[in-house]
Amino acid sequence: NAGVTQTPKFQVLKTGQSMTLQCAQDMNHNSMYWYRQDPGMGLRLIYYSASEGTTDKGEVPNGYNVSRLNKREFSLRLESAAPSQTSVYFCASSESWTGRTFGSGTRLTVV
Amino acid sequence: KQEVTQIPAALSVPEGENLVLNCSFTDSAIYNLQWFRQDPGKGLTSLLLIQSSQREQTSGRLNASLDKSSGRSTLYIAASQPGDSATYLCASSGGTSYGKLTFGQGTILTVHP
Repeated sequence: NAGVTQTPKFQVLKTGQSMTLQCAQDMNHNSMYWYRQDPGMGLRLIYYSASEGTTDKGEVPNGYNVSRLNKREFSLRLESAAPSQTSVYFCASSESWTGRTFGSGTRLTVV
Repeated sequence: KQEVTQIPAALSVPEGENLVLNCSFTDSAIYNLQWFRQDPGKGLTSLLLIQSSQREQTSGRLNASLDKSSGRSTLYIAASQPGDSATYLCASSGGTSYGKLTFGQGTILTVHP
């Protein structure tokens, strides 16, 4: 099925470890996004890529880096994980006429 | 700064009832407005997208309206079913198609048999 695929679905990290969350879309969308969802805070934008070759900071970029590898793939990297980064991470993509399509999420716990 | 508010925060209705979920936003310069559904522990499923030039969109038992001048959108669910139980989120996209998507806090809907 067409859509946004995120890997992994679950991850437990120790404080200070690094990891990369992967996201790929097969809808030929130009724009891609990374959000985090926390109880009581709603969904907050971490980084986005309006088009291939560009990335920009969102509301909460500190502690994260991103790479728009090609039109299909947009990865999110945590260089040194902290307990405050425990969250559910969602990747999304869009075109001007489609609105956002979200992946199923990655549940990350940092201990 | 765009602020999106959803009322009520929670709603419990008997099966078969028609219901309305409300969403208000402070900045009318939106590109589009989108309604999502989120089941517990799951991702967001897009229900309806209304472009800024449109007044409403319909999909099955769902109808969403948009009134930019008053900063309001409503999601109407006809003949509710227990399977409609979920959290419903509205989100406005500002400025451009890839502009910041500002989410409301959601309405938790429970439809009981």
